[in-house]
Amino acid sequence: EVQLVESGGGLVQPGGSLRLSCTASGFTFSKYDMHWVRQTPGKRLEWVSVIATSGAAYYPASVKGRFTISRQNANSSLYLQMNNLRAEDTAVYFCVRGDFIAHDAFDVWGQGTLVTVSS
Amino acid sequence: DIQMTQSPSSLSASVGDSVTITCRSTQSIRNYVNWYQQKPGKAPKLLISVASILQGGVPSRFSGSGSGTDFTLTINSLQPEDFATYYCQQSYSSPQTFGQGTKVEIK
Repeated sequence: EVQLVESGGGLVQPGGSLRLSCTASGFTFSKYDMHWVRQTPGKRLEWVSVIATSGAAYYPASVKGRFTISRQNANSSLYLQMNNLRAEDTAVYFCVRGDFIAHDAFDVWGQGTLVTVSS
Repeated sequence: DIQMTQSPSSLSASVGDSVTITCRSTQSIRNYVNWYQQKPGKAPKLLISVASILQGGVPSRFSGSGSGTDFTLTINSLQPEDFATYYCQQSYSSPQTFGQGTKVEIK
């Protein structure tokens, strides 16, 4: 069964840091671009980052310079290091697989992990 | 960034009805639009990719169409399990962006 399982969410103060992890199973992890997508309390979905099979990483302006995505293919693991967190980063964070055949549609999602930034 | 605007934001329908959700982008995205279904407490699920390609296991009552800037998701003969929130998303250019969602509720 193809599966993504996130961990690492929690409550953190503004300005703090958190590292999210995602473990993949059921597919050849190294062959896929992997993303983080978040859903705000208002239910808006926002793309957060991508790491390509090459290791190249990209971010939207809202998190660039604060978040770092990385992967460890040997362990089929994806990570998101989040620094200098702000209240507006509060969201459920999903680990997501990009389907290269479907022009990077998000075809597999984890269950999500909640990040709350509050004092 | 490309903005995706869905309409309506919500709709009420009965079992057996047909419903159509539209999504408009602020610039041409060819046919690189995807549709997701999300139920409460669950992750979004990919229904349709590249405007019209139904994902495996998705019932044929779901269909997608469109190209350029205007896209539609149609659900024929709405079933009880279809009541959910639907999102469009463009994967034409980075950053990939989503519509604000359309909540389909039971009338």
